[in-house]
Amino acid sequence: DTEVTQTPKHLVMGMTNKKSLKCEQHMGHRAMYWYKQKAKKPPELMFVYSYEKLSINESVPSRFSPECPNSSLLNLHLHALQPEDSALYLCASSRQGGYNSPLHFGNGTRLTVT
Amino acid sequence: DAKTTQPTSMDCAEGRAANLPCNHSTISGNEYVYWYRQIHSQGPQYIIHGLKNNETNEMASLIITEDRKSSTLILPHATLRDTAVYYCIVRYNAGNNRKLIWGLGTSLAVNP
Repeated sequence: DTEVTQTPKHLVMGMTNKKSLKCEQHMGHRAMYWYKQKAKKPPELMFVYSYEKLSINESVPSRFSPECPNSSLLNLHLHALQPEDSALYLCASSRQGGYNSPLHFGNGTRLTVT
Repeated sequence: DAKTTQPTSMDCAEGRAANLPCNHSTISGNEYVYWYRQIHSQGPQYIIHGLKNNETNEMASLIITEDRKSSTLILPHATLRDTAVYYCIVRYNAGNNRKLIWGLGTSLAVNP
C-alpha cells in the first residue's frame, strides 16, 4: 500500500475532453510533484509545489494545468490532450522541498488519449 | 548535468546478493547519489542515498567509490519480491534549485 493515493487508476479520454487527475497525501508533507512516465523510461518531472505554491514548471504545455488546493491535495487538469500524452502520471510528495527528503510516490494514473 | 549509466538488465538467484552498479563519472562534490526502484504497476520507491560514505539501511547497502565516480547498490539476500527496475539518480544542484537526474534503470530479475 502506498501513502500517496492517486485517482483514477486508469483514464481514457478523447482529445476534446476535459478531465482531472487527483492526488492525496496525509503525511504532512509540504512538497508535491507531478511526473510523467512513458513505457520503459524513467519518470520525467512536470511540476513541483512547495508549501502550496508552484515552484517548478518544467516547460510543460498549457494543456496540463496543475492545482494545489491545500497541503494534502494536488490536481492535474487536462484539456485538449494529444495521443502522445498517453503515459503513466505519477504524483509524489516529500516532507520538504529541494529534494532534501525522499519522495513518496503514488501508483499513478494510466492515461490513454484517443 | 551529472548523468548516470546503468546496465539494462541483470539476473540474480533468490537468496543471493544482488549487486547493481552505476557509473556517475561527472558527479560534482556536493551531489548525492539516490536509488529508487519501481516494481511493475507501482510507483517508484525510495531505497537509499549517500554522498561520500557507504550507507546501509533495512533495505540495502550503498557503496560509493572513493573518487565518487561509481557506486553499487547491494541487496544482501534478494527475494522474488525484489524483481523491479532499479534507478540510480544524481541529485543535481541547479543554482537555487535542485533536480533529480534519473538513469535509465536496471531491470533486475530475481529467479527461484
